[in-house]
Amino acid sequence: EIVLTQSPGTLSLSPGERATLSCRASQSVSSSYLAWYQQKPGQAPRLLIYGASSRATGIPDRFSGSGSGTDFTLTISRLEPEDFAVYYCQQYGSSFGQGTKVEIK
Amino acid sequence: EVQLVESGGGLVQPGGSLRLSCAASGFTFSSYDMHWVRQATGKGLEWVSAIGTAGDTYYPGSVKGRFTISRENAKNSLYLQMNSLRAGDTAVYYCARGSGTDYGMDVWGQGTTVTVSS
Repeated sequence: EIVLTQSPGTLSLSPGERATLSCRASQSVSSSYLAWYQQKPGQAPRLLIYGASSRATGIPDRFSGSGSGTDFTLTISRLEPEDFAVYYCQQYGSSFGQGTKVEIK
Repeated sequence: EVQLVESGGGLVQPGGSLRLSCAASGFTFSSYDMHWVRQATGKGLEWVSAIGTAGDTYYPGSVKGRFTISRENAKNSLYLQMNSLRAGDTAVYYCARGSGTDYGMDVWGQGTTVTVSS
């Protein structure tokens, strides 16, 4: 079973700053199957990115995904107040990473 | 409106069984993979099971042999039969729609809470 490790565990940033979140796989993952989700307290997760780099419907273009093989990145170019949340990567139909919390500095 | 609504959660004793349901509406249910994902309080997301459009099923090792996912397309419904429940199965259980060839879960329910305790 592939293990996804996200870093950092917590990212403390201010609105307007750039956020870079990492997801590293224990073995190579097809880019087609790598997704990113956002979850806010008390809410279900929301799909942000699928296929490692494609934005889901309605997702603002400040969110971007990149990477291949074992190293994937989610970038939020300029943090908006509503972006402070927990972010998870996942190999479709398999395990999630442990999550990265983006908190207000 | 595309919607998923879970039900069937509750309190069950260790070793007991519970069946969760997920009612789908607003889309052609039979055309999509479906998933169950759970989240213990204060913890991360854990993928629990998936079922394809042809009825093929998938599980992680943590629930294989204890949980069974199924679907009833005529009723636009997804199910999760959970047996031999343990305290570690306590969580909010979400059903989610697999977004076809995009390989992401694009529609989620609000979740139903399962508590395993004596």
